Amino acid sequence: EDKVVQSPLSLVVHEGDTVTLNCSYEVTNFRSLLWYKQEKKAPTFLFMLTSSGIEKKSGRLSSILDKKELFSILNITATQTGDSAIYLCAVKTSYDKVIFGPGTSLSVIP
Amino acid sequence: NAGVTQTPKFQVLKTGQSMTLQCAQDMNHEYMSWYRQDPGMGLRLIHYSVGAGITDQGEVPNGYNVSRSTTEDFPLRLLSAAPSQTSVYFCASSPDFAHSSYNEQFFGPGTRLTVL
Repeated sequence: EDKVVQSPLSLVVHEGDTVTLNCSYEVTNFRSLLWYKQEKKAPTFLFMLTSSGIEKKSGRLSSILDKKELFSILNITATQTGDSAIYLCAVKTSYDKVIFGPGTSLSVIP
Repeated sequence: NAGVTQTPKFQVLKTGQSMTLQCAQDMNHEYMSWYRQDPGMGLRLIHYSVGAGITDQGEVPNGYNVSRSTTEDFPLRLLSAAPSQTSVYFCASSPDFAHSSYNEQFFGPGTRLTVL
């Protein structure tokens, strides 16, 4: 059975801290791994990763994929209160299915 | 473009009632999908469609039906609602999900459903 696991499930940090969110997966026919940010409404797309070792960056956020060890990390540096959200990891399979992990709830306090 | 729209935003049903959650997109996207989101469980795929006339089951299809008669619309039907179907439902679309070069899904605002 395909599954995506995220850790930690929740995290509280202070503004300015750096955080690392983890995502591991076991799926058949991996196509890509996606990260989403969800605030109080619908998820918004952050990154799509298909190749090992290539870091994707967007401002203070970065992500990398390890297809051999079947995991990805999402780093957020110099966190701000606006980074408070649920971060969702998802894996797309060759069968056009997307399997989501449970999410990591990040709270950034001033 | 309105993007992905969902109606209603909120709904309360009694056990055994039926209803249809509406989803529409005006971006000519081929791929559409329905998810439910429950606390601590992320999003779980209910049904998806790779184009008009084609639908398939996701992780948790039981109790739900879908159809895709047009590219724009992808309604989700609950035939006999149960309390276990209390959840937030998201519809999403993507222009060409089969190609890994473009994987972004656009999500609708969600429908919060309560079944008593």
